[in-house]
Amino acid sequence: DVKVTQSSRYLVKRTGEKVFLECVQDMDHENMFWYRQDPGLGLRLIYFSYDVKMKEKGDIPEGYSVSREKKERFSLILESASTNQTSMYLCASSPFSGSVNEQFFGPGTRLTVL
Amino acid sequence: DAKTTQPPSMDCAEGRAANLPCNHSTISGNEYVYWYRQIHSQGPQYIIHGLKNNETNEMASLIITEDRKSSTLILPHATLRDTAVYYCIVSYLKAAGNKLTFGGGTRVLVKP
Repeated sequence: DVKVTQSSRYLVKRTGEKVFLECVQDMDHENMFWYRQDPGLGLRLIYFSYDVKMKEKGDIPEGYSVSREKKERFSLILESASTNQTSMYLCASSPFSGSVNEQFFGPGTRLTVL
Repeated sequence: DAKTTQPPSMDCAEGRAANLPCNHSTISGNEYVYWYRQIHSQGPQYIIHGLKNNETNEMASLIITEDRKSSTLILPHATLRDTAVYYCIVSYLKAAGNKLTFGGGTRVLVKP
């Protein structure tokens, strides 16, 4: 079974803190994604990566950065957390090969910024 | 990517078929229709996808109209565990960093 794990299920941080959200997948997938999910707004793509050290902006990259130093790990960084970044953060991965654009999601990290 | 339109919510009786509609009138010729669902407190989960033919797997069936402007996801015998938000997504076939754009989805409540 594909497994995508996220470092925390719940996280509470203070405004201005630097926050790291970690995502690890164990299926050698090339693509990895970070989304945030807010009530009424659905899932929105923040950043994605299709290879080590490669990254592309998604729809809402402002206030975030990412790092992909190893194939299995994709980190989301909030350089200076703000209250409007309180949200559910979901990581996903998908392979290049195969005929299905199937993304495998982690359980999510609910981040609260006070 | 083409946009999709889904009803915001629907109820279904346990054991009955649930038919979830989706409109995607601007779909292009090589875009696929994907369905995902998200059970409360979990990440979304892939269900099924199709291009123009009807598709069936162990979870659901997908019926795509001939003009491809709409589709219906069918859960043949809904159970309480099928209560979730269902997303209809139009996307190209796999490519580097191929994105999925999630809309509002349909919140399905299966009632006993």
